[in-house]
Amino acid sequence: NAGVTQTPKFRVLKTGQSMTLLCAQDMNHEYMYWYRQDPGMGLRLIHYSVGEGTTAKGEVPDGYNVSRLKKQNFLLGLESAAPSQTSVYFCASSLSPFNYGYTFGSGTRLTVV
Amino acid sequence: ILNVEQSPQSLHVQEGDSTNFTCSFPSSNFYALHWYRWETAKSPEALFVMTLNGDEKKKGRISATLNTKEGYSYLYIKGSQPEDSATYLCAPTYYGGSQGNLIFGKGTKLSVKP
Repeated sequence: NAGVTQTPKFRVLKTGQSMTLLCAQDMNHEYMYWYRQDPGMGLRLIHYSVGEGTTAKGEVPDGYNVSRLKKQNFLLGLESAAPSQTSVYFCASSLSPFNYGYTFGSGTRLTVV
Repeated sequence: ILNVEQSPQSLHVQEGDSTNFTCSFPSSNFYALHWYRWETAKSPEALFVMTLNGDEKKKGRISATLNTKEGYSYLYIKGSQPEDSATYLCAPTYYGGSQGNLIFGKGTKLSVKP
């Protein structure tokens, strides 16, 4: 049982480049999330999804887009990367956030130069 | 945006010491409080989920209590060991428009010296 898998684990982008981060879960969870973690800021929610075909904005959505075409996958896109998007990105999924909390992926370290 | 406060921000203790830290959160529309343990270079792992006022949960040497009326939770570690070194996150969740999203505090970073 792989849980939540994030790819890639590391990436360096040049300003203006685009990329997609993939999150895959094999637990049949309805809820999926993308967070960024920056020093002194804690985990901040970028976007989330409460089911296949649905997405919603979190606390810091600007500069990012997401898609949930299949229940098991949640994609995070950066259309035109900026140095301010240098961060560690975590994906998480949940059966029900009220009672079960989240299962996290291992993170993607992104550097934009 | 709801404010979740954790204190202290960091804590250094000796092996064998017992310690505790605090999570404060808005109590209106509260549903549940989650605690996570986050080791460096790893991803957060769930410790406890608590919902009822006066709830107490225990996992080995780690325990937590919950006061939903005043909006706080304590995490206790008895006889700290070096392997307890980690950042401990709390995250409440609420009824209403947030669809149950967890709102994370910034964490308390615990370092246990051998």
